[in-house]
Amino acid sequence: GAGVSQSPSNKVTEKGKDVELRCDPISGHTALYWYRQRLGQGLEFLIYFQGNSAPDKSGLPSDRFSAERTGESVSTLTIQRTQQEDSAVYLCASSFTGEWETQYFGPGTRLLVL
Amino acid sequence: AQSVAQPEDQVNVAEGNPLTVKCTYSVSGNPYLFWYVQYPNRGLQFLLKYITGDNLVKGSYGFEAEFNKSQTSFHLKKPSALVSDSALYFCAVRNQAGTALIFGKGTTLSVSS
Repeated sequence: GAGVSQSPSNKVTEKGKDVELRCDPISGHTALYWYRQRLGQGLEFLIYFQGNSAPDKSGLPSDRFSAERTGESVSTLTIQRTQQEDSAVYLCASSFTGEWETQYFGPGTRLLVL
Repeated sequence: AQSVAQPEDQVNVAEGNPLTVKCTYSVSGNPYLFWYVQYPNRGLQFLLKYITGDNLVKGSYGFEAEFNKSQTSFHLKKPSALVSDSALYFCAVRNQAGTALIFGKGTTLSVSS
């Protein structure tokens, strides 16, 4: 079946502009996660959605970052007033509910802030 | 605090030889441990996980990992390496809240022919 998809695959923007990244999870997966991967580093957790529960936003680095998800479908990650340090690959993952469930990752969006 | 350590930035092995990629963790309670692989310009692919039960976990592409509670380790192994195994490998542990994975910094595996 179809995996997690993300768009755009690449995004180049100017410092100070807003960007919106999109994630389509695997059908039937109730949990959705956003991570950031800076060059040469591991993944940093950003935000977690589970069904209609309040999201875990504890990983968002600043109030310039926000994310939304409607039900168990598409999610968008928005970065306002982008800074050069926001340049990274943004990865989305989804899973069935449950702490032990495997997270399946999308191909990521590579963001470059000039 | 929960954390994952991958002490080696790079592991080099000759094709056909056994390989080990090391991982240690620090977490309260029972750990849920994962290994992922990342090929260039691609997302992460799941290899295997330990939740409970047998300490030796078998996964995709002939990889296996051994959970050692006393040493708080979860090393990734393969009996015979292939050139195509060359990639970036990440160890991860589920956070205490159950809302995210905590990743190590990754280990680059290079298999030479």
